[in-house]
Amino acid sequence: KQEVTQIPAALSVPEGENLVLNCSFTDSAIYNLQWFRQDPGKGLTSLLLIQSSQREQTSGRLNASLDKSSGRSTLYIAASQPGDSATYLCAAPDTGRRALTFGSGTRLQVQP
Amino acid sequence: DAGVIQSPRHEVTEMGQEVTLRCKPISGHNSLFWYRQTMMRGLELLIYFNNNVPIDDSGMPEDRFSAKMPNASFSTLKIQPSEPRDSAVYFCASQRGQGRDEQFFGPGTRLTVL
Repeated sequence: KQEVTQIPAALSVPEGENLVLNCSFTDSAIYNLQWFRQDPGKGLTSLLLIQSSQREQTSGRLNASLDKSSGRSTLYIAASQPGDSATYLCAAPDTGRRALTFGSGTRLQVQP
Repeated sequence: DAGVIQSPRHEVTEMGQEVTLRCKPISGHNSLFWYRQTMMRGLELLIYFNNNVPIDDSGMPEDRFSAKMPNASFSTLKIQPSEPRDSAVYFCASQRGQGRDEQFFGPGTRLTVL
């Protein structure tokens, strides 16, 4: 059964900093990995989907990497802004299933 | 595209009552997922459908929960009878293709059972 772990659980940084969020997963036989953003009391917004054949995926100030062999993914946020404050969730397909297994998230606070 | 649509957005009910949550997936998506989010357990899959057929319902907590997908544009999740421990946010998500595509989530239904 897939297990997804995210560290740190919470992060507070001043505006403008570059930061890295970490995600690890136990079953490396995944075909993709997805990063989401969740604002308080809101739904999940898909940020990036990385296929197993890719090593990186970029969208604006966000860059996600995937290393299947080590069971790790990172989400890099460049030049952070207060509007980036949210919880970031990493999700990988469950072993042998199409359902996603989610990490517990990293709660990010960007101070103005 | 309007995205995944869920209704109601909020539901407050009393223990023992029947609750029905509704979902309209993105047009053209052939997979639909129901997830539940709680503080204690995070996000967990309840059930998913492919081409309107339930494929995996191993996450459905007990017989009080049932889900249907009568057509490609509509699904329901029913809880009967509801209990206070069912209080959570219920998300519906849809996906196109055979699993290598993004899952898109609806805004969720926040359920409170008193």
